[in-house]
Amino acid sequence: NAGVMQNPRHLVRRRGQEARLRCSPMKGHSHVYWYRQLPEEGLKFMVYLQKENIIDESGMPKERFSAEFPKEGPSILRIQQVVRGDSAAYFCASSPSLDRNSPLHFGNGTRLTVT
Amino acid sequence: AQKITQTQPGMFVQEKEAVTLDCTYDTSDPSYGLFWYKQPSSGEMIFLIYQGSYDQQNATEGRYSLNFQKARKSANLVISASQLGDSAMYFCAMREKYGNKLVFGAGTILRVKS
Repeated sequence: NAGVMQNPRHLVRRRGQEARLRCSPMKGHSHVYWYRQLPEEGLKFMVYLQKENIIDESGMPKERFSAEFPKEGPSILRIQQVVRGDSAAYFCASSPSLDRNSPLHFGNGTRLTVT
Repeated sequence: AQKITQTQPGMFVQEKEAVTLDCTYDTSDPSYGLFWYKQPSSGEMIFLIYQGSYDQQNATEGRYSLNFQKARKSANLVISASQLGDSAMYFCAMREKYGNKLVFGAGTILRVKS
């Protein structure tokens, strides 16, 4: 049973370009969460999605960031017109249910570097 | 809002000794889950152990155990017989009632000395 798959593992973008980060949840998991980790810091929640629905985007910056989880295919975190401050590790996690006693299973992350 | 506090930015422990990593939390929800994750230098997030707020017994998982003191709102991680491979960042987290997202503490860097 494959874990949460994220790609690419590393992504380099110049300022002003777009970054697309992909996440395939574990099989059977319909709840996807995106987190951002700045260097030497903890993980900060960005957005929570179920299939075709954004449930909680309280951690998403208001501009340039968007996320989707289509009926078919992976979840996508999209950052438009990247700036140096977007450089971070972006983690995707999935869960099979809303049970608050279940852990989230994390992917290995995408390290975004903006030059 | 729920909050997790890890007051130890860094800890050292001698190989083969036990170490306790502190975690306190704040919530008004009587039902919650507490989790510990390990993040080695390679960067992945590894789930270690879980404690439910209604669990009567402290959770254990191999060399990991959770010292859960509900009245004090603390959920400290105890690692017994430390190994060099335990050197990593450790995060305490709580799963929120609304939205069911995980809220993380700032983390503690553990270094195991040989």
